[in-house]
Amino acid sequence: GEDVEQSLFLSVREGDSSVINCTYTDSSSTYLYWYKQEPGAGLQLLTYIFSNMDMKQDQRLTVLLNKKDKHLSLRIADTQTGDSAIYFCAGAKYKLIFGSGTRLLVRP
Amino acid sequence: DGGITQSPKYLFRKEGQNVTLSCEQNLNHDAMYWYRQDPGQGLRLIYYSQIVNDFQKGDIAEGYSVSREKKESFPLTVTSAQKNPTAFYLCASSSEVTGANVLTFGAGSRLTVL
Repeated sequence: GEDVEQSLFLSVREGDSSVINCTYTDSSSTYLYWYKQEPGAGLQLLTYIFSNMDMKQDQRLTVLLNKKDKHLSLRIADTQTGDSAIYFCAGAKYKLIFGSGTRLLVRP
Repeated sequence: DGGITQSPKYLFRKEGQNVTLSCEQNLNHDAMYWYRQDPGQGLRLIYYSQIVNDFQKGDIAEGYSVSREKKESFPLTVTSAQKNPTAFYLCASSSEVTGANVLTFGAGSRLTVL
């Protein structure tokens, strides 16, 4: 079955770039997703990438997909304190499988 | 505005009691889901429903029950058979966007067993 792994914690300074990494096991995932969760709230979709793409850019967000290594990353440019949250990657062929989430802390 | 409403936001339960968490959506989505979130863990799927009057077990369905009598509503009952029910519960619904299954989440319900 699908397994999705992420590092648990990342700390960056305000204005720096953040890179959150994710590895997955099931190469048949059709889409891969990034969700953001703020404290005590539900998840909100940030972006997603189709499995035949290598990169997708959306304003400050850049998603990179390395299918050979089954590695997905989310880069946040010019990280702000409002970006502090938990970030989940998820893969799906028939149903979504979530990673355990990476807590991003942005220091002033 | 369209969205998903979960209630209550906080719920306390004594051991041995059943509780029902409400989930209502006005997005006209066909599919709805219940996830459980524990600290330091990802989301685990409890039940999902792709159409009215039909639902399937997810990965951790034991001790839970659901119904889907209306498209807008997908309530979750946490029964006394659930051994460790204290958790954050998230409801979601989905639509297909250019082939991607995009989930919209509610704000969550935090259940604490005393």
